[in-house]
Amino acid sequence: SQTIHQWPATLVQPVGSPLSLECTVEGTSNPNLYWYRQAAGRGLQLLFYSVGIGQISSEVPQNLSASRPQDRQFILSSKKLLLSDSGFYLCAWTQGFGHSYGYTFGSGTRLTVV
Amino acid sequence: DAKTTQPTSMDCAEGRAANLPCNHSTISGNEYVYWYRQIHSQGPQYIIHGLKNNETNEMASLIITEDRKSSTLILPHATLRDTAVYYCIASPTGANSKLTFGKGITLSVRP
Repeated sequence: SQTIHQWPATLVQPVGSPLSLECTVEGTSNPNLYWYRQAAGRGLQLLFYSVGIGQISSEVPQNLSASRPQDRQFILSSKKLLLSDSGFYLCAWTQGFGHSYGYTFGSGTRLTVV
Repeated sequence: DAKTTQPTSMDCAEGRAANLPCNHSTISGNEYVYWYRQIHSQGPQYIIHGLKNNETNEMASLIITEDRKSSTLILPHATLRDTAVYYCIASPTGANSKLTFGKGITLSVRP
């Protein structure tokens, strides 16, 4: 069966520090991968998605970047965190050809920038 | 993706059916209707999706009107664990498609 792993579960980082969040999927190949963010009291915002290794589409220009170095690995990064980067970060995957099978979300990382 | 409109909140009694409405009057022919829910502090959970026909699975039923301009998610026997934010999303499938979440509807199941 397929599983999605996200870590860490919680993170407290100072302003100006770097960030690296990792997401891996097991039990499937060539998944579509997504990074979402949910700020406190707000809705889910799509940040990046990837349909293959090295292919990254950015939805919102901001202080973050994403990379997909391997088929089932998706990384969210920042060189210098801002206070506004605080939020609940969620990774999701679906089968390569669209989401007729539904998205599966990870358990999320709660990031607090102080 | 077509915009969807949902009430802000609703409640229902435990054990009763919860009927969650969604309007998607501008839905395109290639767009599916998806329902997800998010329990507090967790990632969203896929519930069900459909194109034209009504759908049922172990979690819920999805009723789509014939003109596809609205739909209703039915939880047949709501439990306290069904308290969550429910999102209705209209989106096409395809390799580059992506889900855009709105504000959803907060369902509160009362004892």
